[in-house]
Amino acid sequence: GESVGLHLPTLSVQEGDNSIINCAYSNSASDYFIWYKQESGKGPQFIIDIRSNMDKRQGQRVTVLLNKTVKHLSLQIAATQPGDSAVYFCADQRPGGKLIFGQGTELSVKP
Amino acid sequence: EAGVAQSPRYKIIEKRQSVAFWCNPISGHATLYWYQQILGQGPKLLIQFQNNGVVDDSQLPKDRFSAERLKGVDSTLKIQPAKLEDSAVYLCASSSGGGGTYEQYFGPGTRLTVT
Repeated sequence: GESVGLHLPTLSVQEGDNSIINCAYSNSASDYFIWYKQESGKGPQFIIDIRSNMDKRQGQRVTVLLNKTVKHLSLQIAATQPGDSAVYFCADQRPGGKLIFGQGTELSVKP
Repeated sequence: EAGVAQSPRYKIIEKRQSVAFWCNPISGHATLYWYQQILGQGPKLLIQFQNNGVVDDSQLPKDRFSAERLKGVDSTLKIQPAKLEDSAVYLCASSSGGGGTYEQYFGPGTRLTVT
């Protein structure tokens, strides 16, 4: 069946270091991916997206890389800050709008 | 701009009881989604509305879950009777359009505990 998964359930980094969160997907037809950040007690918040015709997209302190050959994407956060502590999800958004989420990686930032 | 509103924020019920959740989407958003998020997992779509019509309810357990969006604005999700495995956070999201490129904005969720 279709799935979107993450490689690690938890990630701990030192403040100021770069963070890399990975995600694998199984559906070759998937062409639009979104990274979400979810803080405790809140709903998921859009961070950055990427379409399958791109292999890299950059935002403010965040970069998403897409490797369609191995069905893998990653989220890189530069100069990680305590406010970045949250659970991060990758999601595959289908043409009708439905989001298929992975299980999430919990990022902890040590001061 | 006000975000997606949900109530209640927390609810504790016993199994076999019924419960209802309410969602008010961002003003003007035609598409409304209900997701179920079990602890430690990503959200899973239960139902998608476009205005007051159902677009996708393929993963809604229809023997116990129901949802409506009668006037195409706010929506209610009901569970009757509840089971222990229904313990989860129920998230409502809305978007201005129904296609795959419209950003979904999530509410804070309702945390349901079934004992």
